[in-house]
Amino acid sequence: LAKTTQPISMDSYEGQEVNITCSHNNIATNDYITWYQQFPSQGPRFIIQGYKTKVTNEVASLFIPADRKSSTLSLPRVSLSDTAVYYCLVAPTDSWGKFQFGAGTQVVVTP
Amino acid sequence: DAGVTQSPTHLIKTRGQQVTLRCSPKSGHDTVSWYQQALGQGPQFIFQYYEEEERQRGNFPDRFSGHQYPNYSSELNVNALLLGDSALYLCASSLAGAGLTDTQYFGPGTRLTVL
Repeated sequence: LAKTTQPISMDSYEGQEVNITCSHNNIATNDYITWYQQFPSQGPRFIIQGYKTKVTNEVASLFIPADRKSSTLSLPRVSLSDTAVYYCLVAPTDSWGKFQFGAGTQVVVTP
Repeated sequence: DAGVTQSPTHLIKTRGQQVTLRCSPKSGHDTVSWYQQALGQGPQFIFQYYEEEERQRGNFPDRFSGHQYPNYSSELNVNALLLGDSALYLCASSLAGAGLTDTQYFGPGTRLTVL
């Protein structure tokens, strides 16, 4: 499984855009990039997943450059409820759910 | 449609005891994975069950075992509990035939405290 590196923490104000970059230099051809969000004492929640270029859903956008050695999760106009830990995962298509979580990025949104 | 459910919510045990945690997957899902999350760390993969068999296993000792029933629900058993087993135990379900994305849905977890 590819190793990922993310910032330990990020602070933001309400209404700002938050961008979290994850490095995965040894990503393999059949690896997908997935981001999860976790609130205290709850299980992680799927946010977004992609393979290359840009993916957007109602919650976030995921930017993946051509070399796929990094990816950036973008949270537009964050609110206090976006305060959580965000995990970047890289897993092959045949991982069958065997995900390797790192320590994640603690995002704190303040008024 | 109920999501992934886990029981109990909290549990306190003493060293050396045995514990069983339970998980019901999201409706329509047939695969269950278990994770251990220590305080301040990311979840660590324990094992996964599909078709009532352990399909994959992480780096956990044999004290950790599991079972999957025909209705896809699952149990995690931990024997000879150690203080270091104190953690949030997460169950995640997915659909084996979902294809490449294989999105997992996590339950709220069971908080195990070993004294």
